[in-house]
Parts: sequence; C-alpha cells; structure tokens
Amino acid sequence: GAVVSQHPSRVICKSGTSVKIECRSLDFQATTMFWYRQFPKQSLMLMATSNEGSKATYEQGVEKDKFLINHASLTLSTLTVTSAHPEDSSFYICSARDPTQGEAFFGQGTRLTVV
Amino acid sequence: GDSVTQMEGPVTLSEEAFLTINCTYTATGYPSLFWYVQYPGEGLQLLLKATKADDKGSNKGFEATYRKETTSFHLEKGSVQVSDSAVYFCALSRSGYSTLTFGKGTMLLVSP
Repeated sequence: GAVVSQHPSRVICKSGTSVKIECRSLDFQATTMFWYRQFPKQSLMLMATSNEGSKATYEQGVEKDKFLINHASLTLSTLTVTSAHPEDSSFYICSARDPTQGEAFFGQGTRLTVV
Repeated sequence: GDSVTQMEGPVTLSEEAFLTINCTYTATGYPSLFWYVQYPGEGLQLLLKATKADDKGSNKGFEATYRKETTSFHLEKGSVQVSDSAVYFCALSRSGYSTLTFGKGTMLLVSP
C-alpha cells in the first residue's frame, strides 16, 4: 500500500520556540492531507484539512496562527507549532488521501514535548 | 455531532484466545465504518471497513459487521496471536475516507 512518511517521530523543544513537522506522501500525489492531534487516552481529533496550493481549513477551536499549515506541493504538507507551550505537548499525526485508491494513509505520528 | 465510542483498554489476552473489541457510533445518515490498527512505532493502517448496513469487513482473520439497528461495529478475531498486539481504532466517515471521526483507541496485549 501507499506510504506516508512523517518526520520527526519525536521532538522535544523549549517553551516559546517553533517546531515544524513534515508529512510526505512517498508514492502518490495527495491533493488533500489531514492533521490530527491525540491527547493521552483521547481520540484523534482532526485539526485541519490541508489542500495543495490553497489555505488550510481549520476545525473549530484550532488556532490557525498557532498551528501553521503549508501544503506547497502534492507530496508535502508541513505543520508548524509556533511559540510552543507545554500544553501543546501531544501526539500529532497526518494522513493523506490517495485519490486513485480513495483510501487515506497515515504517517507514523510525531510525539511533541514542550519543556 | 458524530462520535465513536469504543471499549477502554488495555485488553489482555493469551495467545489463541477469542477477541472482541466493542465499538458503537452516533451519526446521522449512513456513515462508512472503519477499523484501523497502529503497531508500536508505526502509523495507523486500515484493517477493514464496511460501507453499508449488514456489510461485513474482514482482513487478517479480523472481522466486523456493520449493525445499523444497534449502531455498532464490533471487532472480532477467533484466535489472536502475539503479533496482533497493537492499538485498535474504530472510526467513521460520512464522506468516504476524507474526514474520519475516531474512537479513543483500545490497546490489545497478547501474551504467549
């Protein structure tokens, strides 16, 4: 099946700094990618839908200025957590939909810890 | 809004035991239902799916039946293996695979 690569898998950063997470579709072109966040013992919550060449669509309650999403090419979307704070510590996971198969494939996830 | 409720884990079983992980959902209309599995250190993988009532999804010995009357999609396997140890997520979508609503996930631990 198709592969989605997410990097880094783990990152620790200092409060106030920014962190960029990359999501790549390795063998298909993804016009749409999705970013999820998972708190401990909670569901994966959709944060935003990333569309190639246009602005991301954010879910209610997600700060677009805090979580910057860029989908500059058909194989890459990035999520930047700006001015990170400890409450941003979480597991972030991306997915990309392969339009030829219809199925969504997921990255490995990124464990962000803000200290 | 849409929601998915699945049983809390961890579920701990011995090898060759029977597995059931319960999943119920709330949604209007007729959503598609999915089970995803996440092995340690890996991303979520689609395990099986069902797109309409009474459909049975099956893969790798796992199966689940879309029950509209009970709004359920319970995951079952007749004989689990150690390699089945993972976190299992039940999910629904009202627009194909695009936006998924997930349950909290259930960790399965299988011992030899």
